[in-house]
Amino acid sequence: AQSVAQPEDQVNVAEGNPLTVKCTYSVSGNPYLFWYVQYPNRGLQFLLKYITGDNLVKGSYGFEAEFNKSQTSFHLKKPSALVSDSALYFCAVRDFVDSSASKIIFGSGTRLSIRP
Amino acid sequence: EAGVVQSPRYKIIEKKQPVAFWCNPISGHNTLYWYLQNLGQGPELLIRYENEEAVDDSQLPKDRFSAERLKGVDSTLKIQPAELGDSAVYLCASSFPTGETETQYFGPGTRLLVL
Repeated sequence: AQSVAQPEDQVNVAEGNPLTVKCTYSVSGNPYLFWYVQYPNRGLQFLLKYITGDNLVKGSYGFEAEFNKSQTSFHLKKPSALVSDSALYFCAVRDFVDSSASKIIFGSGTRLSIRP
Repeated sequence: EAGVVQSPRYKIIEKKQPVAFWCNPISGHNTLYWYLQNLGQGPELLIRYENEEAVDDSQLPKDRFSAERLKGVDSTLKIQPAELGDSAVYLCASSFPTGETETQYFGPGTRLLVL
């Protein structure tokens, strides 16, 4: 079965500095990977996804993620953090139950805190 | 374009009472999901619909939870009777099925507190 791990419960970064939120995955086939962000009292918002092609995926709000097959990682990055980026971030992988069905498995989340 | 709509946003009930949550997906989205999100954790799938058919309800506790999507649009998730451990956020999501690459769009969730 597919799984995804977010090894850090919390990441603290100063505003203006680069940020990285880590994610590793385990899949039996081709990985389909996603990043979502959740602001307080709101639902999850889609940031970006990797299906195939270029290993560097660009998404919303200036975020990007780098797919690394050899390290089975899909880390989320941003060159310059903003205080407004403070939120809960979820990595997710598509789990293929069978040929006709699939579901997304979410990681446990990483709380990103950007200090002014 | 309107997003996924959920109501109510908050609900407080006593244990053993019934409760229902409503979801209206994005127009044209055939696939609808209900997730359970406990505090500090990622969402966990409860049930997934393709139009009006429940194609994956393996994680739905069927002794007390039920769901329906009668006309393939709106959906209702019900708990009867509610238990203390059901306190959580219930998220609804929808997607337009494009196969493996489909992106799910989430509503704001219903925060349930069972006393």
